[in-house]
Amino acid sequence: QQQVKQSPQSLIVQKGGISIINCAYENTAFDYFPWYQQFPGKGPALLIAIRPDVSEKKEGRFTISFNKSAKQFSLHIMDSQPGDSATYFCAAPGPTDKLIFGTGTRLQVFP
Amino acid sequence: DAGVIQSPRHEVTEMGQEVTLRCKPISGHDYLFWYRQTMMRGLELLIYFNNNVPIDDSGMPEDRFSAKMPNASFSTLKIQPSEPRDSAVYFCASSLGGPSNTGELFFGEGSRLTVL
Repeated sequence: QQQVKQSPQSLIVQKGGISIINCAYENTAFDYFPWYQQFPGKGPALLIAIRPDVSEKKEGRFTISFNKSAKQFSLHIMDSQPGDSATYFCAAPGPTDKLIFGTGTRLQVFP
Repeated sequence: DAGVIQSPRHEVTEMGQEVTLRCKPISGHDYLFWYRQTMMRGLELLIYFNNNVPIDDSGMPEDRFSAKMPNASFSTLKIQPSEPRDSAVYFCASSLGGPSNTGELFFGEGSRLTVL
């Protein structure tokens, strides 16, 4: 089965610091790479997404960096805030329109 | 729009009982997905529908699980008989266009199932 491997499993960052979450994929046919954010007791929600024709996309404090040759993409959260504490999932569409999620990264930002 | 609506939010049942989870997708969305979330396995796609037709049910764990979408505004996921290992949070999501067409998935708040 196509996989999306995500690391780290958990991350603790001080307020104001940079949070970095990495994902690696296998299928070179993947052409859309979203990140979803999930707060406790809620469903995941789209945070930011990128297509592989660009190497970086920035929305506010959130940036996706994409390395097509290495088949990796990462989420950077600048100036991390306690309100960013959540679980983050990378994803990629697999065969037959499935969205395959990574295993998730639990981010805790301490004041 | 109220978003994707799931019910019940919490369900506690005993092993062997039938469980039915319900989902109302966002009006106008043509894709509906059922996911299961556990600590061990993360978010797993169980089945998804396009225009009410099941497209891929390869993630359904076994015959005890079944899903239906009788119309564009309602879907059910049924487990019969339920087992303790089915305990998880079950999410329904809908989208306009499939994931490969950048169709953003809108998730409900989930149904937390506990099977004793």
